[in-house]
Amino acid sequence: EADIYQTPRYLVIGTGKKITLECSQTMGHDKMYWYQQDPGMELHLIHYSYGVNSTEKGDLSSESTVSRIRTEHFPLTLESARPSHTSQYLCASGPWDTSTDTQYFGPGTRLTVL
Amino acid sequence: GNSVTQMEGPVTLSEEAFLTINCTYTATGYPSLFWYVQYPGEGLQLLLKATKADDKGSNKGFEATYRKETTSFHLEKGSVQVSDSAVYFCALIAGANNLFFGTGTRLTVIP
Repeated sequence: EADIYQTPRYLVIGTGKKITLECSQTMGHDKMYWYQQDPGMELHLIHYSYGVNSTEKGDLSSESTVSRIRTEHFPLTLESARPSHTSQYLCASGPWDTSTDTQYFGPGTRLTVL
Repeated sequence: GNSVTQMEGPVTLSEEAFLTINCTYTATGYPSLFWYVQYPGEGLQLLLKATKADDKGSNKGFEATYRKETTSFHLEKGSVQVSDSAVYFCALIAGANNLFFGTGTRLTVIP
């Protein structure tokens, strides 16, 4: 079973608040990812990292930011939450060689911005 | 470019029915192919994978065969159970790129 954790699992917050979604993995994986999953289920890659001090924007433009100061930790921050940020956020990690191995997903954070 | 086209749902089946969820792909190079499953309220879990042409991935009674000639990776199960109700995602990795997901197919199995 994969060891990747996300907190909180559920968050309801008011507009304008700053929030940080936490993601940690204990597998020593180099690569980590954040996906946004809309109500229609489709997954959109919003950020990824190939290692410490590496962060890249994904396919879907996002107002969030990420950091990768430690291998095991990849938090996502929204400086000023808006109702349009309401979504499910999934964190994932994977080894460097993803040609034969794959990504492991956390349980997700369901964010609601009022 | 890389993309995955997945059969749209939702799919509703009776218990013990045969399941097929179609998936076709476009990729540069030689991709690895995956099926992920998402149970209600949870993250995605790897269901099965195939890393080269003609490979068959299998797990929990599900199977999918990597067909290079038809660029397909259809998911099948001979007899579905209520516990198989979930959302299924087809995905690929090509080269050093990230995972490309299909849009997901929601399966509901009724007793």
